[in-house]
Amino acid sequence: SAVISQKPSRDICQRGTSLTIQCQVDSQVTMMFWYRQQPGQSLTLIATANQGSEATYESGFVIDKFPISRPNLTFSTLTVSNMSPEDSSIYLCSVERAGLGNEQFFGPGTRLTVL
Amino acid sequence: GQQLNQSPQSMFIQEGEDVSMNCTSSSIFNTWLWYKQDPGEGPVLLIALYKAGELTSNGRLTAQFGITRKDSFLNISASIPSDVGIYFCAGQSGSRLTFGEGTQLTVNP
Repeated sequence: SAVISQKPSRDICQRGTSLTIQCQVDSQVTMMFWYRQQPGQSLTLIATANQGSEATYESGFVIDKFPISRPNLTFSTLTVSNMSPEDSSIYLCSVERAGLGNEQFFGPGTRLTVL
Repeated sequence: GQQLNQSPQSMFIQEGEDVSMNCTSSSIFNTWLWYKQDPGEGPVLLIALYKAGELTSNGRLTAQFGITRKDSFLNISASIPSDVGIYFCAGQSGSRLTFGEGTQLTVNP
């Protein structure tokens, strides 16, 4: 599996501000994804981060709120914009390993608390 | 959209006991995955299943891909305290993962 790191690991932010989360992989991967995990809940896909083109967002998530960058095959960022307490969640990036089943492997997550 | 029903929501067992959890879906998946998430960590992949009817083991873990492609189960044998955590099933179609709601496992020594 790939080694995936995220920065920051956690943060406490004021409402109305924005936070950019970084995801770094130790090898080149084609597919990278961003998920949200609200407190006590399961994981929900926010978007697929496409290298060289705009991210593909899932229903209920928009680019203005969650802009994503993917400048190369090992790095991506997710920004949570104009935050409110409802944005308090764990944000996770994942990568897909090309192969038999294209399994996804997850980073350690970024725990965000918005006051 | 696709939904996964995972049960049970939580389990409280004694060390040494066997555990079983399952997921059912209204839709067909090409791949079933089982993850474990410890507090403060991201989910870790335990087992991946690629074919209907497939039965796969990983140490004390055994999982099966249902013949209808709409369900999967995970068994843990002879549980130990470090098995504590949240277990998620996930169905995969293409690159899209749909997660179950999770099973919180507590193991009493």
